Amino acid sequence: DIQLTQSPSFLSASVGDRVTITCRASQGISSYLAWYQQKPGKAPKLLIYAASTLQSGVPSRFSGSGSGTEFTLTISSLQPEDFATYYCQQLNSYPFTFGPGTKVDIK
Amino acid sequence: EVQLVESGGGLVQPGGSLRLSCAASGFTFSSYAMSWVRQAPGKGLEWVSAISGSGGSTYYADSVKGRFTISRDNSKNTLYLQMNSLRAEDTAVYYCAKDREVATITEIDYWGQGTLVTVSS
Repeated sequence: DIQLTQSPSFLSASVGDRVTITCRASQGISSYLAWYQQKPGKAPKLLIYAASTLQSGVPSRFSGSGSGTEFTLTISSLQPEDFATYYCQQLNSYPFTFGPGTKVDIK
Repeated sequence: EVQLVESGGGLVQPGGSLRLSCAASGFTFSSYAMSWVRQAPGKGLEWVSAISGSGGSTYYADSVKGRFTISRDNSKNTLYLQMNSLRAEDTAVYYCAKDREVATITEIDYWGQGTLVTVSS
């Protein structure tokens, strides 16, 4: 099975900050990576798919990059509604594993 | 509007069984693969199982293989997860989820509200 790691696991930031989260795969997954945002008590929300394609309706301050084994999610200017936990998911091969998550908290 | 409504969760003893259902509406159900994803209390997301639009292909996480069965009834627009030999570590909120793209298995673009399964004596 493909394992995903995320760094950092916890991030404290201020409104307006540029935030970068990294997701690493245990083996190459081409661009078969998605990013989700989850707020407490809510279902996850798709942000990015195919490593860098913005899902419809998602603000352009979110962007994704990478291929192979290393990927990043960037929030260009953190907004109050962005404080949440972020997960990556690989869709290269079954099982479609998720990363352990990165919690973005208010500094 | 896409809607996914799970039901069937509850308290069950270790070794017991439970069947989850997910009623789908707002899209052509048979055209999309569907998945189950779970989240243990205070923990991260765990992909559990997926099924193709026709129901002909199914996939499972190692942690549930041989115990859980995913199925769908396209005439009823309903997804199921039959869970047998339940363990304490299966305690989680179970989400029903729709794949983003037609006719292939991809990332998830819609999620249900989740149903809580608690395995405890």
